[in-house]
Amino acid sequence: KAGVTQTPRYLIKTRGQQVTLSCSPISGHRSVSWYQQTPGQGLQFLFEYFSETQRNKGNFPGRFSGRQFSNSRSEMNVSTLELGDSALYLCASSFSPTYNEQFFGPGTRLTVL
Amino acid sequence: QQQVKQSPQSLIVQKGGISIINCAYENTAFDYFPWYQQFPGKGPALLIAIRPDVSEKKEGRFTISFNKSAKQFSLHIMDSQPGDSATYFCAASKAAGNKLTFGGGTRVLVKP
Repeated sequence: KAGVTQTPRYLIKTRGQQVTLSCSPISGHRSVSWYQQTPGQGLQFLFEYFSETQRNKGNFPGRFSGRQFSNSRSEMNVSTLELGDSALYLCASSFSPTYNEQFFGPGTRLTVL
Repeated sequence: QQQVKQSPQSLIVQKGGISIINCAYENTAFDYFPWYQQFPGKGPALLIAIRPDVSEKKEGRFTISFNKSAKQFSLHIMDSQPGDSATYFCAASKAAGNKLTFGGGTRVLVKP
């Protein structure tokens, strides 16, 4: 069974631009969560989606948004990029919100110049 | 508010030794406690997990010890190998929902 896939793997943007990251969960998994990983703040929860609905949201500004499609694939968007948004963005999938076991993808490394 | 505190930040252990990483949590609503292993350039990989109704869980060379009253849990890596050199993260979540709160991470270096 294929793991969680994330595209693109690397991205370079400039301040003020916007970016869209994509995540395909493990087949059969319907819950997708997003995390930001930085050296300073560590791993921080962004949001969780299940059945195309956002179930949980972390403490991030409104510039960070996401969505989930009917096939469980998910996208996250960051608008008006800031230097501090440079990070590894990780997607994790789970069978359901109550199943708890989450499996992470390789991440998208975003660099904002 | 850091809800999951992890220590030490780094540790060096000789091959064959025992690596011990500790975590403490504050939120008594947490019901699921996983450990993740992350290699450079990779996403975190689920290693082992425990729920509060069990005080210890062992999978191969990895053991989680859980102390509900102290709100602490720890990871023991027995017979540490150079291939275990990685960053380890403890985490916690509530029963319903997949919002993981992570500890700060421990960089483990196993010397041959």
